[in-house]
Amino acid sequence: QAVLTQSLSASGTPGQRVTISCSGSSSNIGNYTVNWYQQLPGAAPKLVIHTDNQRPSGVPDRLSGSKSGTSASLAISGLRSEDEADYYCSTWDDSLNAVVFGGGTKLAVL
Amino acid sequence: QVQLQESGPGMVKPSETLSLTCSVSGYSISTGYFWGWIRQPPGKGLEWIGGAYQSGAMLYNPSLKSRLTISLRTSRNQFSLELSSVTAADTAIYYCARLGGGSLGSWAGPWGPGILVTVSS
Repeated sequence: QAVLTQSLSASGTPGQRVTISCSGSSSNIGNYTVNWYQQLPGAAPKLVIHTDNQRPSGVPDRLSGSKSGTSASLAISGLRSEDEADYYCSTWDDSLNAVVFGGGTKLAVL
Repeated sequence: QVQLQESGPGMVKPSETLSLTCSVSGYSISTGYFWGWIRQPPGKGLEWIGGAYQSGAMLYNPSLKSRLTISLRTSRNQFSLELSSVTAADTAIYYCARLGGGSLGSWAGPWGPGILVTVSS
């Protein structure tokens, strides 16, 4: 059972905007910044958002992150077929004294 | 460009010690950042293992801490993972990564391609 809660799946058509959510508590998201990873099929995860809303070099600005209270979101606009992947949120949890992950959301581009 | 590559045995017997090495190119691990490990059981989600800093600071997942050692070998620009007394529950793809986000090392990037380690007799 993952500490952070994500929907199992999400979907959209090319060009649409999709939002993936991540829910936590005051011991994690409520007090620490959130990071997002994209895992393409058969590949290692890739950091796409860190520190709530910062994009590493090379990540397109179609991807954006936000946070409010104990929840965070990853938005993907102008959806493309290459966005089809699993997406994971993560942050520090001070009751577990560890980095924790969400269970992952599988994004399908229909 | 920072690149990481895991190496080590793909199979370990139960009760033995899992040992992996991560080789880093394009960045000196003695310059900064935590360097650590994350694992993913086949078909499942991610689990943070921990990391080490060149100062000697360590971040270990408390659920693994009693069995875990992460070490930096700055002269070789490598770092390692040792996990003792393994069971089938330790079967996973093991990824090495640079850990950012200050003293908590809370974000990981870039990652190595991963290595599947199976615990089986």
